[in-house]
Amino acid sequence: EIVLTQSPATLSLSPGERATLSCRATQSVSSYLAWYQQKPGQAPRLLIYDASNRATGIPARFSGSGSGTDFTLTISSLEPEDFAVYYCQQRSNWPPTFGQGTKVEVK
Amino acid sequence: EVQVVESGGGLVKPGGSLRLSCAASGFSFSNAWMSWVRQAPGKGLEWVGRIKSKTDGGTTDYAAPVKGRFTISRDDSKNTLYLQMNSLKTEDTAVYYCTTLDGNGWFRNWGQGTLVTVSS
Repeated sequence: EIVLTQSPATLSLSPGERATLSCRATQSVSSYLAWYQQKPGQAPRLLIYDASNRATGIPARFSGSGSGTDFTLTISSLEPEDFAVYYCQQRSNWPPTFGQGTKVEVK
Repeated sequence: EVQVVESGGGLVKPGGSLRLSCAASGFSFSNAWMSWVRQAPGKGLEWVGRIKSKTDGGTTDYAAPVKGRFTISRDDSKNTLYLQMNSLKTEDTAVYYCTTLDGNGWFRNWGQGTLVTVSS
């Protein structure tokens, strides 16, 4: 099974700052990687799929990049509602697996 | 509007059974591939299993930790997905989410989740 490692575990930033989250796979997943956002007490929400495609209704400040084993989620300018936990997920190899999450918190 | 609503969670003793339901609306459920994902308290997300649409064979796949104990089924006449959980263990304690799988295999729409607690 492919293991996804996210870094950092916690990112402390202020509103308006740029957030850069990393996800690394133990073997190539091509571009079969997604990012999800989860706020406390809520279900996850699909943000990015196929490494760089924004899901419906996702603001342009969210962008994804990468292929193979190294991926990045960038939030260009943090809004108050963006402070949450972010998970990456691959579907290249069975079974689908998730990273352990990166918490973006208010500094 | 696409909506999936889970129900059936609760407290159960180790070794017991529980059946979760997921009521779907706002999309063609019979054509949808569906999945269950769980999240232990304070932990990350873990895929549990998947069921294809009947037109695509209706087959199921499961994560190793639940294979042989959990069964996913669907009733397309009721637009409802099920997760039958047997021989429950304390490590099965989690919020269980029902999700739709889009045409590319991503977890597109999520319910609010239902909490299953396995404890004596």
